[in-house]
Amino acid sequence: KQEVTQIPAALSVPEGENLVLNCSFTDSAIYNLQWFRQDPGKGLTSLLLIQSSQREQTSGRLNASLDKSSGRSTLYIAASQPGDSATYLCAVSFDDSWGKLQFGAGTQVVVTP
Amino acid sequence: EAGVAQSPRYKIIEKRQSVAFWCNPISGHATLYWYQQILGQGPKLLIQFQNNGVVDDSQLPKDRFSAERLKGVDSTLKIQPAKLEDSAVYLCASSTYRDYEQYFGPGTRLTVT
Repeated sequence: KQEVTQIPAALSVPEGENLVLNCSFTDSAIYNLQWFRQDPGKGLTSLLLIQSSQREQTSGRLNASLDKSSGRSTLYIAASQPGDSATYLCAVSFDDSWGKLQFGAGTQVVVTP
Repeated sequence: EAGVAQSPRYKIIEKRQSVAFWCNPISGHATLYWYQQILGQGPKLLIQFQNNGVVDDSQLPKDRFSAERLKGVDSTLKIQPAKLEDSAVYLCASSTYRDYEQYFGPGTRLTVT
């Protein structure tokens, strides 16, 4: 069974610290992996998309790495700010899924001033 | 470009009643997805359309849920009759083609009492 897991479920850090969010998946045959941000009561905002042929992707303070062989992706957020407080979701499109995203349950992040 | 539009944003109904949700994807996007997100969980795919054809509806409870995508553009998702466990956020997403980056709408929060 193809599963996506995010640990920890919740994380609290002081402003300025770097955030490290983990995502693991059970099948290395993936097409791509997306990281999303979700604010309370809102939809999902796409942060980064990594194709299976890529090792990492960067956008501003965000950097996401992908290690297919170990079934892991990590999202790094540098110099966290209170505005980074949200739930972060990892989603995987497996090779045989025709684009269907399999989501983790998310990591709820609180950045304290 | 305009994002994915959904309506209504909120809906409260009693169990055994029916409800319908509407989604207008980003112009030109051939693939449309409906996801169900139960509180505290990641979204789960209900149905995926490629143009106006169904690609995957394996997790759609077909005894009560139905969906259509007219002319390969707008889509509606219907629940009849609703159950308490249908309380969730229903998210619509679209992409230019399957396996491409998905863009999500704001979602419809359904409460069944």
